[in-house]
Amino acid sequence: KNQVEQSPQSLIILEGKNCTLQCNYTVSPFSNLRWYKQDTGRGPVSLTIMTFSENTKSNGRYTATLDADTKQSSLHITASQLSDSASYICVVKTGAGANNLFFGTGTRLTVIP
Amino acid sequence: DTAVSQTPKYLVTQMGNDKSIKCEQNLGHDTMYWYKQDSKKFLKIMFSYNNKELIINETVPNRFSPKSPDKAHLNLHINSLELGDSAVYFCASSQDMRLPTSGELFFGEGSRLTVL
Repeated sequence: KNQVEQSPQSLIILEGKNCTLQCNYTVSPFSNLRWYKQDTGRGPVSLTIMTFSENTKSNGRYTATLDADTKQSSLHITASQLSDSASYICVVKTGAGANNLFFGTGTRLTVIP
Repeated sequence: DTAVSQTPKYLVTQMGNDKSIKCEQNLGHDTMYWYKQDSKKFLKIMFSYNNKELIINETVPNRFSPKSPDKAHLNLHINSLELGDSAVYFCASSQDMRLPTSGELFFGEGSRLTVL
């Protein structure tokens, strides 16, 4: 069964600290994995995409990793800022079409001063 | 210039009423979607239209009826609202239905529906 699980469900960290969010999937065949950031009261916005051949990709203070063998991805946030407070959603794509997108339930990150 | 805009942002109504949510995208995309996000923040696809044609219709009560007058607009009409319909509904668009390689969805800001 195609599933995407994220951990932790929620996380509270102090401003300036680093954190890592996890995404484990059983989706097969794998096409790509995308991390979305969803601010409160807004729609999800894409942060980064990982394809099969990519192990690490950075987007500013965000670094995503992918281990296609173990079917795991992580999103590392460096030097967190208050504006990083949001839900982070992992979405795995298999094949073509929108019904081949599998969404995780997200990690709610709260950065406190 | 909002890429995907939906209205209203908030909707509070009584059980049994009928309501509509409108969505428009100015990205020139061919494909539009409706997603439902429940209280646990899980996003689930409801419908997908490609160039005004319905291509995905997940297991959704037939009280929900999407309408796409043109490829830039996708509206959602809900009849006989029930308590369980309370959720945030997101409109999204993509370049085309195949979600080529990138598979990026562009979401609207959501419409929070509360059924009392």
